[in-house]
Amino acid sequence: DTAVSQTPKYLVTQMGNDKSIKCEQNLGHDTMYWYKQDSKKFLKIMFSYNNKELIINETVPNRFSPKSPDKAHLNLHINSLELGDSAVYFCASSQGQTRKNFGPGTRLTVL
Amino acid sequence: DAKTTQPPSMDCAEGRAANLPCNHSTISGNEYVYWYRQIHSQGPQYIIHGLKNNETNEMASLIITEDRKSSTLILPHATLRDTAVYYCIVRAPGTGNQFYFGTGTSLTVIP
Repeated sequence: DTAVSQTPKYLVTQMGNDKSIKCEQNLGHDTMYWYKQDSKKFLKIMFSYNNKELIINETVPNRFSPKSPDKAHLNLHINSLELGDSAVYFCASSQGQTRKNFGPGTRLTVL
Repeated sequence: DAKTTQPPSMDCAEGRAANLPCNHSTISGNEYVYWYRQIHSQGPQYIIHGLKNNETNEMASLIITEDRKSSTLILPHATLRDTAVYYCIVRAPGTGNQFYFGTGTSLTVIP
């Protein structure tokens, strides 16, 4: 069974569009995250949610808005997409501050 | 978080032990050593972590030197599916969730 799942796996879109990436975890974890991996492979945290509440919001443009309808879901909505948003986005979950389980990633390409 | 240094790449023959080193000479007393790996186009996968004692699980062993300034991840019987980029990360619990993966070691298991 997939522990952390993301959809879609690939997303190709035009500049200026609005898109969403969905994430679900079936591990019962209380904390979920969004990470961005750029072309240099550096993995940077964007958001962290604990029990549906925003805990960490790193320096991320306000075009990015996470939404957590329940503990098992953390979706990422991106408005007015820009070329620099092209990256692989990973969702992850953990129980507290322990090891993280990462999703398979969503490769976003903005044309 | 303490900076880590890893060799950029390594080869290992299938069936042999793969020993991946990591230097973390500025590690603090409360920082743990974590190892993750990322197989091409997949999300990072947790392998093992430790504080100062050697650790072993079903995937690997972690050997941490007595002064804690370096560690070695050991895959006892490498398989072709172990070909991946391996990341060594040191961080203290409760310090937030920034996970700087760095460049890691690209391990290639050769048939």
